[in-house]
Order: sequence, then structure tokens, then C-alpha cells
Amino acid sequence: DAGVTQSPTHLIKTRGQHVTLRCSPISGHKSVSWYQQVLGQGPQFIFQYYEKEERGRGNFPDRFSARQFPNYSSELNVNALLLGDSALYLCASSPGEGRRNTIYFGEGSWLTVV
Amino acid sequence: GNSVTQMEGPVTLSEEAFLTINCTYTATGYPSLFWYVQYPGEGLQLLLKATKADDKGSNKGFEATYRKETTSFHLEKGSVQVSDSAVYFCALVDLTGGGNKLTFGTGTQLKVEL
Repeated sequence: DAGVTQSPTHLIKTRGQHVTLRCSPISGHKSVSWYQQVLGQGPQFIFQYYEKEERGRGNFPDRFSARQFPNYSSELNVNALLLGDSALYLCASSPGEGRRNTIYFGEGSWLTVV
Repeated sequence: GNSVTQMEGPVTLSEEAFLTINCTYTATGYPSLFWYVQYPGEGLQLLLKATKADDKGSNKGFEATYRKETTSFHLEKGSVQVSDSAVYFCALVDLTGGGNKLTFGTGTQLKVEL
């Protein structure tokens, strides 16, 4: 079975541009989350969606937005890119919610803002 | 709020040495605890997990026991290999307000030498 898949794997954008990152969860998983990992740090929570509803939002500016589609795939959008947005963006999926759910990560999308 | 504290790295060991990476947490309620591993240039892989006090998670020779009394989840391995060289992240699931938010430590880099 396929794991969590993300696209694109690498991309370079210019300051002020917009970026869309895509994620397909593991088949049967209904919850998708997004994390930002800056080099040398642990991942930071951005958003979580479950059954197409936003269930959690981290401490990120309104330039960051996301959505989940009927097939449970998800997009993360970042507007007005800043140099500090350069990071590895990780998507994670789990079957549902609750402390007994295991959360699986994709390989990530490496974003460089120049 | 919830937080995870890990010992700082890098940790450098000789092959076949014993490994301990300390992890302590602060959380409300009864979180689930995880160890994830990240190899260079890759996403996060789940290494092991524990969902309640005194549970022991284990995988690939790694073990960690959920200690509620000391709020700890230390990672151990009896004999490390060069292939274990990676960054290890301790994390907990935060269910405050619902959802599957993972709170990560800053990561501990492990280097295993011949």
C-alpha cells in the first residue's frame, strides 16, 4: 500500500510569490495534518483536517491556509512568501482522531524561498 | 501548554555501544508518546509508540517505556549500528481542543562510528 505522498518534492520560489503543496493520505485515512520543519529544528504544527473540517491550527500567520478535499487529499497554500518560509513541509495522515491513532508522515516538500 | 524536552546532540557512539536518548514531557491529561526517526534528506518515520502509562514501545531493537511518574519516555538500544545514524524526535499527541496535533522535541542527532 502506498504511504503518504507529497508533491512537489523540491521547489524554489521567489519572495512574494505563492506556493501550493499537495498531499495524498494513506488509503482509508481521514485525518491530514501539516507541519513545518526548519533546518535543525523539530516539526511545528500548522493545520489539521478531519473529514474536511479544520480541527486545529498552529501559531502561523494568515498567509498560511489549507483545505481537505472529499477524497481526503489536502493542499497547503502559502501566500506572500518570505525568506523565513524556507523549510521542509511535512504532511501526515492518520485513520481518525484520538490518542490511540498512529500518525504517519510523508517524505515532505522542500521549499526554498530566494 | 504541552512541551517535549530532549537531550541535546549530537550524540556520538561507537558501533555496538549502548544508546540512551532522554525525553521528558509536560502535558495535560494522558498523551500518547512517540519516537520518530529522520534520516538525512528524508521525512519522518515512526519508530515506536506507547499510549498509556507503563506501556513499552519497541521496534528494530529500540525500546522506550512510558513513565508517568517521571513524565519520561527515554529511547534505548542495546547495540547501535552505523545505520542507526539519524536524528531522533520524541513527540506527544496533544488532544487539547480535539484533533491530532503532535508536539515535537528539538531532535537529537545520533552519529555511530565504526
